[in-house]
Amino acid sequence: QSVLTQPPSVSAAPGQKVTISCSGSSSNIGNNYVSWYQQLPGTAPKLLIYENNKRPSGIPDRFSGSKSGTSATLGITGLQTGDEADYYCGTWDSSLSVWVFGGGTKLTVL
Amino acid sequence: QMQLVQSGAEVKKTGSSVKVSCKASGYTFTYRYLHWVRQAPGQALEWMGWITPFNGNTNYAQKFQDRVTITRDRSMSTAYMELSSLRSEDTAMYYCAGAYYYDSSGPPTGFDPWGQGTLVTVSS
Repeated sequence: QSVLTQPPSVSAAPGQKVTISCSGSSSNIGNNYVSWYQQLPGTAPKLLIYENNKRPSGIPDRFSGSKSGTSATLGITGLQTGDEADYYCGTWDSSLSVWVFGGGTKLTVL
Repeated sequence: QMQLVQSGAEVKKTGSSVKVSCKASGYTFTYRYLHWVRQAPGQALEWMGWITPFNGNTNYAQKFQDRVTITRDRSMSTAYMELSSLRSEDTAMYYCAGAYYYDSSGPPTGFDPWGQGTLVTVSS
């Protein structure tokens, strides 16, 4: 059971928009920065968003992040078949003194 | 370009230890904290701990406190993660990753880049 809660799966058609939620508490999301990762099948995770809403160099602006209270959201617009992957949120938990990840969300582009 | 390259897959017996390496290139080794994260088959990511390459300071998740040791060799720009008393539940892909920090005294704010991963298989 992950400290951060994500929906197990989401789906949308090519070209559409999808959002993935990540719910936590005041000890993690509520008081720390959130980051998001994309994991394509058989590959290492890749950073998409850090410090809630910043994109590393090379990440297209189709990917966006936001945070409100103890929840965070990853948005992906203009969906492509190549976006099919597992997506994870993560943040520091100040009470547990550990980095925590969500359980992951599988995105299917129909 | 910052890059992390890990050692190859390992097959270990229950009760033994494994040591995985993570070689850094493309940046000054001492400038970025290195973290270790594992992923059991079909499961989510799980954070294990970090090392400060500059002085060797470490911080481990309590779950692994008694079994994990993270070290580094500055001359080789390489970090190591050793896990002892292996059990079948330790079968997983192990990743090293560089960390972002908003400020040097706070917690990490994201991980990039990641090594390619090292598969550790534990069997009796």
